[in-house]
Amino acid sequence: NAGVTQTPKFRVLKTGQSMTLLCAQDMNHEYMYWYRQDPGMGLRLIHYSVGEGTTAKGEVPDGYNVSRLKKQNFLLGLESAAPSQTSVYFCASSYGTGTAGLMDGYTFGSGTRLTVV
Amino acid sequence: AQSVTQLGSHVSVSEGALVLLRCNYSSSVPPYLFWYVQYPNQGLQLLLKYTTGATLVKGINGFEAEFKKSETSFHLTKPSAHMSDAAEYFCAVTRGGATNKLIFGTGTLLAVQP
Repeated sequence: NAGVTQTPKFRVLKTGQSMTLLCAQDMNHEYMYWYRQDPGMGLRLIHYSVGEGTTAKGEVPDGYNVSRLKKQNFLLGLESAAPSQTSVYFCASSYGTGTAGLMDGYTFGSGTRLTVV
Repeated sequence: AQSVTQLGSHVSVSEGALVLLRCNYSSSVPPYLFWYVQYPNQGLQLLLKYTTGATLVKGINGFEAEFKKSETSFHLTKPSAHMSDAAEYFCAVTRGGATNKLIFGTGTLLAVQP
């Protein structure tokens, strides 16, 4: 049972380059989320999706785009990377709405460590 | 707006001592509360959660937390620390609803001294 898989695990980008981070889940979860983790700041929500074909902005969406073309995949794109986007990125998924959707909390991937130089 | 405050970014205890990690929340509606643990270079793992019902909740690895509405707190405790408990701990809150967005605290790094 793979759960949530993130690729790649590590990446170094030059300023201005673009890349896409892939998140895949095999639990048939409706909701998916992208967070970034920075020292002393906890996890901050970038974008999220409540179903296939839907996306919405989170707390810190600037400089990122997302797509959810298939229920099991949630892509995070950086069009023109900046040093401020150096971070660890986590994808998470959850069953769905309401109390039932929270009973198992979120399932997290193992993260992507991105460095922009 | 919801928010979570974790008091103490670093906590150090001796092996066998009580672990107490503090979390206070701000929410305009009854919240759902979570504690997650992150071991070095890994993702976050659910320790325990409060959604409804009993206010004292037990989680994995001997941890427990008590939801105290009057104090807007959800502190995490463990009677006797083990070396393997060294990790970063995050408190999180959500109102649930249509998005179930989790708002995380800034984390507390727990060190366990031999």
